[in-house]
Amino acid sequence: AQRVTQPEKLLSVFKGAPVELKCNYSYSGSPELFWYVQYSRQRLQLLLRHISRESIKGFTADLNKGETSFHLKKPFAQEEDSAMYYCALSKSGYSTLTFGKGTMLLVSP
Amino acid sequence: ETGVTQSPTHLIKTRGQQVTLRCSSQSGHNTVSWYQQALGQGPQFIFQYYREEENGRGNFPPRFSGLQFPNYSSELNVNALELDDSALYLCASSLGPSRQDTEAFFGQGTRLTVV
Repeated sequence: AQRVTQPEKLLSVFKGAPVELKCNYSYSGSPELFWYVQYSRQRLQLLLRHISRESIKGFTADLNKGETSFHLKKPFAQEEDSAMYYCALSKSGYSTLTFGKGTMLLVSP
Repeated sequence: ETGVTQSPTHLIKTRGQQVTLRCSSQSGHNTVSWYQQALGQGPQFIFQYYREEENGRGNFPPRFSGLQFPNYSSELNVNALELDDSALYLCASSLGPSRQDTEAFFGQGTRLTVV
C-alpha cells in the first residue's frame, strides 16, 4: 500500500528565512505527487503538483524518485505562508489521494 | 462557477445513531470523493463516486456508504455511529476519475461529533 510521510508536525521560521517542508513516500508504481495547503479558516486547496513543474507563490517541489521524496521549498518565507501543508500522492490511473499527516508552517515577523 | 459546498457545517450525534452528510460538486465535475480527517491527521480516503457509481473505496467498514445523484451531488451515510467517527468529513470534486483529471476541489467540510 502507498504511504506518505511528513516527519515534521510543526516548522517555525522567521520571515525571509528559507523553508523546506519534507515529504517522503512509498509506492511501487509511478506516483503523482501534490502539495495541498490550508490557510486559516479556508478550505484545502492545491498548491502545486509535480507534473506541472510550476512555481506557485514562490514554492517549488522536485520529485526525487531515488530518494522517494517531494520536498517543498521556498527561498524566502513570508508571513502569509503560515498555513497547514499536506503532501499527497495519487496512484497510477487513479485520482484518489493519499495524504500525509501535514506540517504546520509558522512564519514569524 | 460555484465551488464545492457541504452541509451541514457542524452536527452532533449520539453513538449508535445514523447520519447523512451532503455535498454539491463544483459545476462541470462528475466525480466526488469523500475523505475523513481525524484530529491531527491528514485526510483519509473513504470512497469515490463517478457518474452515480462507486469507483473505489478506502479502508472503511460497510456502515460507511454513499450515493451520487444525476446532478452529481453526493451523500455520505454512516450507520451505527461510533465515538471514533468524530472527525471532519471532506468532500472533493474533480472533472473525472482519472489521474489527469486530478485537481481535487475541496469543500469546507462537515464537523461531526459523536457523543
